[in-house]
Amino acid sequence: NAGVTQTPKFRILKIGQSMTLQCTQDMNHNYMYWYRQDPGMGLKLIYYSVGAGITDKGEVPNGYNVSRSTTEDFPLRLELAAPSQTSVYFCASSYLEGHQPQHFGDGTRLSIL
Amino acid sequence: GQQLNQSPQSMFIQEGEDVSMNCTSSSIFNTWLWYKQDPGEGPVLLIALYKAGELTSNGRLTAQFGITRKDSFLNISASIPSDVGIYFCAGQWGFGNEKLTFGTGTRLTIIP
Repeated sequence: NAGVTQTPKFRILKIGQSMTLQCTQDMNHNYMYWYRQDPGMGLKLIYYSVGAGITDKGEVPNGYNVSRSTTEDFPLRLELAAPSQTSVYFCASSYLEGHQPQHFGDGTRLSIL
Repeated sequence: GQQLNQSPQSMFIQEGEDVSMNCTSSSIFNTWLWYKQDPGEGPVLLIALYKAGELTSNGRLTAQFGITRKDSFLNISASIPSDVGIYFCAGQWGFGNEKLTFGTGTRLTIIP
């Protein structure tokens, strides 16, 4: 069972570069989320989607963009990477309504230097 | 904004011991969720609580929704090596579009 798959697992970027973090799920879940996890902090919601074609901002959306063209895929785009975006990024999905993510990917560890 | 404090921050126990941890909020929540994160992996939802006073079990794990709605508790009975990881609580004030607030986690280590 694949569940939620994130790529890449690790990445180092230079300040000002851009990249896309990929996320795909094979459970046919409508709800998908992007979180970031900073050391010693709780997860913070970046963006979420309640279905294909529908996305909305979370707590910390600045510097990021998302799209949801299919049920399976929910990529996160970083434009003009900044050191403050150094973090571990988790994608999650759920069939539960109301922001209750069930399944998380293994994360992408991103360093901006 | 809403704050969640998890206690303890870390625990060192021997295999077979019972574990208790809690999560307290500065404001009322209507939903409490508990997650576990294994090393190098993403969190996994363990238990969801939707009603004050509710007690829910998942195998050796039991979680309770505090009567005040400002706290929640997670107990693990007869710990085993695979219980190692970080346990996160998360609270939600409303329903529908209300975002989760996550705690900072309790790191559980089992001493051989």
